[in-house]
Amino acid sequence: QVHLVESGGGVVQPGRSLRLSCAASGFTFSSHGMHWVRQAPGKGLEWVSFILYDGSDKYYADSVKGRFTISRDNSKNTLYLQMNSLRTEDTAVYYCANGGGYGDYTRLDAFDIWGQGTMVTVSS
Amino acid sequence: EIVLTQSPGTLSLSPGERATLSCRASQSVTSNYLAWYQQRPGQSPRLLIYGASSRAAGIPDRFSGSGSGTDFTLTISRLEPEDFAVYYCQQYGSALTFGGGTKVEIK
Repeated sequence: QVHLVESGGGVVQPGRSLRLSCAASGFTFSSHGMHWVRQAPGKGLEWVSFILYDGSDKYYADSVKGRFTISRDNSKNTLYLQMNSLRTEDTAVYYCANGGGYGDYTRLDAFDIWGQGTMVTVSS
Repeated sequence: EIVLTQSPGTLSLSPGERATLSCRASQSVTSNYLAWYQQRPGQSPRLLIYGASSRAAGIPDRFSGSGSGTDFTLTISRLEPEDFAVYYCQQYGSALTFGGGTKVEIK
């Protein structure tokens, strides 16, 4: 069974850093591009970042570009999101997600597998 | 960036009724790459529809998607108690954007 399990969330002050992890199981992680999507409390969904299956290409939303870094360790079946210079507006539940191959490109896809999410609160 | 506008914001219906949710794009969605998700309170989103009209694996046939270009619709033919939730549309034809959501609540 396919599983994505996020961890690493917590409460952090503005300007500080946090690293999220997403452990994957039940599928060949090293063959799949992976995404991070976030949801602020009571708000809608926002795509954050994508990484290609081998880590050779990465994309970011404008709202996090230059502050967040996506990476992966295929030997550990784990996806990461390094978040620096955090702002109050980064407060959200962060989900890792796997596209189902429904589009023309792996970085542009609909998400059929989601983790349970990890909460990040940026507050002084 | 394509902006997706969902309407109505809230839909108040009774179990057994038909629900019709709208998603309008600010420009044409490439190849009708439009998805719909359901999100119940405290849960992660669940993919219902991809490619505007194809049901994802395990999704009941009371859920159907239609539309093309800039106007898309999610229809739930007869609401079951577990269908009361928030629904989001997403386009994945160019960049990735989500609509603001429609809440389907019990009347």
